[in-house]
Amino acid sequence: GAGVSQSPRYKVAKRGQDVALRCDPISGHVSLFWYQQALGQGPEFLTYFQNEAQLDKSGLPSDRFFAERPEGSVSTLKIQRTQQEDSAVYLCASSPRDRGYYEQYFGPGTRLTVT
Amino acid sequence: AQSVSQHNHHVILSEAASLELGCNYSYGGTVNLFWYVQYPGQHLQLLLKYFSGDPLVKGIKGFEAEFIKSKFSFNLRKPSVQWSDTAEYFCAVNAGYGGSQGNLIFGKGTKLSVKP
Repeated sequence: GAGVSQSPRYKVAKRGQDVALRCDPISGHVSLFWYQQALGQGPEFLTYFQNEAQLDKSGLPSDRFFAERPEGSVSTLKIQRTQQEDSAVYLCASSPRDRGYYEQYFGPGTRLTVT
Repeated sequence: AQSVSQHNHHVILSEAASLELGCNYSYGGTVNLFWYVQYPGQHLQLLLKYFSGDPLVKGIKGFEAEFIKSKFSFNLRKPSVQWSDTAEYFCAVNAGYGGSQGNLIFGKGTKLSVKP
């Protein structure tokens, strides 16, 4: 079946621009996670949704980062006034149950480059 | 705070050599442990996982890992690597039941290069 998809796969933004990154999780998956992976590092947690509820946003690095999942399926990560330090791969993962005690299925990521 | 350490940044092996990648975590409570693999140009995929029970876990493609609670370790092993195992390997942990929302804490990853 279809896996987790993300779009766009690559995004180049000029510093100060706003960007929106989309995640389509596996159908029926309750949990959705966003991670940020800087070059040479492992993924770092940003935020977690259980259905449409954002239960944890402790990893969002600043108030320029905002995520939503209004109908409990597709999610969007928005970054306002992008900065060079926002350059990274943004990964989305979904899981069939709550709390992530099952395998998380990852999407291919969106590589964001801020110039 | 939880953290995961992977001791090797880049490992280079010849085909048929044995592999062991180290992973240590810091967290005092119950944990779930994972190894993910990222092949060149592909997305992260699960190699194996440990939730409870037998501390020796077998995964896909002949990989296994051993959870040693006293050492806070979850090392990945494979007796004989193949060229197709060239990839980046990530160890990850999340807190066990009741401990968190389930977000994964990842190590920095180990790049494995297998020479044919």
